[in-house]
Amino acid sequence: ETGVTQTPRHLVMGMTNKKSLKCEQHLGHNAMYWYKQSAKKPLELMFVYSLEERVENNSVPSRFSPECPNSSHLFLHLHTLQPEDSALYLCASSQGPGSYNEQFFGPGTRLTVL
Amino acid sequence: KQEVTQIPAALSVPEGENLVLNCSFTDSAIYNLQWFRQDPGKGLTSLLLIQSSQREQTSGRLNASLDKSSGRSTLYIAASQPGDSATYLCAVDQAGTALIFGKGTTLSVSS
Repeated sequence: ETGVTQTPRHLVMGMTNKKSLKCEQHLGHNAMYWYKQSAKKPLELMFVYSLEERVENNSVPSRFSPECPNSSHLFLHLHTLQPEDSALYLCASSQGPGSYNEQFFGPGTRLTVL
Repeated sequence: KQEVTQIPAALSVPEGENLVLNCSFTDSAIYNLQWFRQDPGKGLTSLLLIQSSQREQTSGRLNASLDKSSGRSTLYIAASQPGDSATYLCAVDQAGTALIFGKGTTLSVSS
């Protein structure tokens, strides 16, 4: 148990659906992240939020839309996804930018797009 | 552009062996380097973080070293156990924010 929870743990959706992934951290951290893990590829950063402001958007398609209403919650809204978007989506949190920026990860949401 | 490489991609050892996992990175201007463990279908568990000013960190049977000038880190696992079987990921933090990951080394320890 890392103090970072994600729901749902598994999600199957069609290409025309709209769904949302939720992440919550109970560590008092100020920064939250979305990463994507596809088969045979390294984890890729998608979005970074620090103090609820988006500080990095790693050229992610607009069909992925993040939302950070407060420092404890992070959402990823999904719309009109493609089958190649099927992956494990991981949320992480940390105290914030700096040399001791240890990141703690949630268990992930396994997404399958049909 | 920073690239992180982990060698070997997979490793099988008998229980009790000491082993070394390797990680290399192309740009030495990093804030820190983190080692993670990932069990199949699960999230990542942080094992060790080495700040750029440090040379090594230890936690139990794990020891991680960092040679920033040569762009290398090693994770040493002493007296391996079947419960150590997992994928080990190395990641570098260049800007004090997001991590850049290697593809990982999948370790299998047989009893």
